[in-house]
Amino acid sequence: EAGVVQSPRYKIIEKKQPVAFWCNPISGHNTLYWYRQNLGQGPELLIRYENEEAVDDSQLPKDRFSAERLKGVDSTLKIQPAELGDSAVYLCASSLDTGVETQYFGPGTRLLVL
Amino acid sequence: AQKVTQAQTEISVVEKEDVTLDCVYETRDTTYYLFWYKQPPSGELVFLIRRNSFDEQNEISGRYSWNFQKSTSSFNFTITASQVVDSAVYFCALTPRGGAGSYQLTFGKGTKLSVIP
Repeated sequence: EAGVVQSPRYKIIEKKQPVAFWCNPISGHNTLYWYRQNLGQGPELLIRYENEEAVDDSQLPKDRFSAERLKGVDSTLKIQPAELGDSAVYLCASSLDTGVETQYFGPGTRLLVL
Repeated sequence: AQKVTQAQTEISVVEKEDVTLDCVYETRDTTYYLFWYKQPPSGELVFLIRRNSFDEQNEISGRYSWNFQKSTSSFNFTITASQVVDSAVYFCALTPRGGAGSYQLTFGKGTKLSVIP
């Protein structure tokens, strides 16, 4: 069974440019999560989807970040415009359902903003 | 609010040595789940184990073992006869069971393990 797929794996952009990350969860997983992991830290949740509904985006910086999960499968996370402080690894995870289901993570997208 | 502390930032061991990674947590919830994840240099977080707060039985899986002690709020992870492939950052995480925050994993800062051949 394929795991969580993310692309691109690496992205280097200049500040004020837009950037987008794509995630394809494990087949059949209804819940999808986006995390941000700063250097030397554990991941921190940005947004959680149950099917196509964003049920918790309280930690998403809404002035520049947006996300969507059309048709309840793939998801895209966008930053516009990017700032230097956005340099981090952006991880996508999925689980069968919400609650205490184990979350399975993708390889992440490493973003560097210059 | 939940908190997970991994006091060991970096550990280096020589291959075949045993190593224990410490994890101490804080939560007001009476029921919760604890996790360990491995993050190799490739970046992907690999799920290792999930433990229910009701189940304090220790678990062994090959060279890996976990010691859960509710009395000290600790969930330590031991690798026996370490191998170079064990080199990675290991994260301990916590989520409450049930309620509004039950989906949200709170991670520690991770322990970087280097196994020297």
